[in-house]
Amino acid sequence: AQSVTQLDSQVPVFEEAPVELRCNYSSSVSVYLFWYVQYPNQGLQLLLKYLSGSTLVKGINGFEAEFNKSQTSFHLRKPSVHISDTAEYFCAVSRTSYDKVIFGPGTSLSVIP
Amino acid sequence: IAGITQAPTSQILAAGRRMTLRCTQDMRHNAMYWYRQDLGLGLRLIHYSNTAGTTGKGEVPDGYSVSRANTDDFPLTLASAVPSQTSVYFCASSDSRETGANVLTFGAGSRLTVL
Repeated sequence: AQSVTQLDSQVPVFEEAPVELRCNYSSSVSVYLFWYVQYPNQGLQLLLKYLSGSTLVKGINGFEAEFNKSQTSFHLRKPSVHISDTAEYFCAVSRTSYDKVIFGPGTSLSVIP
Repeated sequence: IAGITQAPTSQILAAGRRMTLRCTQDMRHNAMYWYRQDLGLGLRLIHYSNTAGTTGKGEVPDGYSVSRANTDDFPLTLASAVPSQTSVYFCASSDSRETGANVLTFGAGSRLTVL
């Protein structure tokens, strides 16, 4: 079975500084990878996804992630964060296009003015 | 506006009572899911349904049941609620035929407190 690890439960960062949120997964087969964002008191929404092809994936709001198969990682990055990026970020994995999606425990990003 | 509607948004429930959380989607997605969200644990899959008439167990199915009588509705029932079922419950749907992957659309959540 696949699983997802998010190494940092909380990440504080100053406004306009860069940020990286780490995600590692385990799976014996090829996977699809996702990052979702949850703003306070809301449901989750898709930030970006990796299905195949280029290992660098760009998403909404200036976020990007890089798939590294050898390190089984899918870290999320943004070069300059804004106050509005304060939210919970979840990494997720799915084995196939029809398989259930398994989520990591989440990373709480707090942007400090 | 197309999407997922969950009800109730919040509920306080006495232990031992039966409770059904409702979920309706208007996107004609084939698959639907129920997750619970707990601090430090992220989202854990309770039950899922790949298509109307079928259901499957997720990571934490005990104490919960679901049904999928049609494409749009996917209710989650707690037959006899216990305090450990206090959580925020999210319904989600997807149609990988459209996106080529299981991209989930989420409802706004139902906050359940069992006393």
